[in-house]
Amino acid sequence: DAGVIQSPRHEVTEMGQEVTLRCKPISGHDYLFWYRQTMMRGLELLIYFNNNVPIDDSGMPEDRFSAKMPNASFSTLKIQPSEPRDSAVYFCASSLVLVLGPLNTEAFFGQGTRLTVV
Amino acid sequence: RKEVEQDPGPFNVPEGATVAFNCTYSNSASQSFFWYRQDCRKEPKLLMSVYSSGNEDGRFTAQLNRASQYISLLIRDSKLSDSATYLCVCTGYSSASKIIFGSGTRLSIRP
Repeated sequence: DAGVIQSPRHEVTEMGQEVTLRCKPISGHDYLFWYRQTMMRGLELLIYFNNNVPIDDSGMPEDRFSAKMPNASFSTLKIQPSEPRDSAVYFCASSLVLVLGPLNTEAFFGQGTRLTVV
Repeated sequence: RKEVEQDPGPFNVPEGATVAFNCTYSNSASQSFFWYRQDCRKEPKLLMSVYSSGNEDGRFTAQLNRASQYISLLIRDSKLSDSATYLCVCTGYSSASKIIFGSGTRLSIRP
C-alpha cells in the first residue's frame, strides 16, 4: 500500500481564495483524521471520520473550514475564504481502529500539505 | 491549561548520553498513550505505545504515571539519528474520544 496520500504537497494562494486539500487514506482503514500543525499551536485535531461519517468536528476553527468524506477512499478539507492565519501544514491520517488499550493501533500520517496564504 | 503539555526544548545532548522528557495530561480519563516521532518537515510516525506497566523497545523506555498524570520517554545511548521532535499522544476508549497531541519536545543530538 502506498500509505496515506495527500495533495497538493504545497499550496500558495491569495487571501480570500478557496483552498481544497485532498486525502486518500490507506485502504481498509475506518478512521480518517485531519490535523493542522503550526509552530505556535502544535498539532491540532480538526475533525475525524469513522466509516465516512464525521464524528467530532469540534476542532474545526471556523465556519470557513469544512470537511467531507464522500467515500471510504477520499476526503477533502476546504477553506473558503482563506486567510493568512490559515497558513500551516495540514496532515491527514488514517487508522484501522481508534487507538484503544491492548489493541493499540497506530495512525498513519500522510506527508502533509504546506499551505501558505498571502 | 493545555490538555497535553510538553517542554518544547530544545534538549541538546551529546551523542551517547541518556535523555528523558515528560509529558503531562490533564484529563484523568485518558486511557491510551503513545510517543510519536517527527523529523523536520516530515509527518509524525509512531515511535511506541505506552503501557501501564511501562515498556521498553531497544534504547527507548516509556513509562506511565497515572497518579501524577504524566508519561515519560527515556532514550539511552543517544544517536545522532535520534534528533527529532517527540510528540506525546493521549486518547480515551470511546469512539467519541479526542486524540490529543502534545506540541512536541525538540531533541538535538550533537557529535
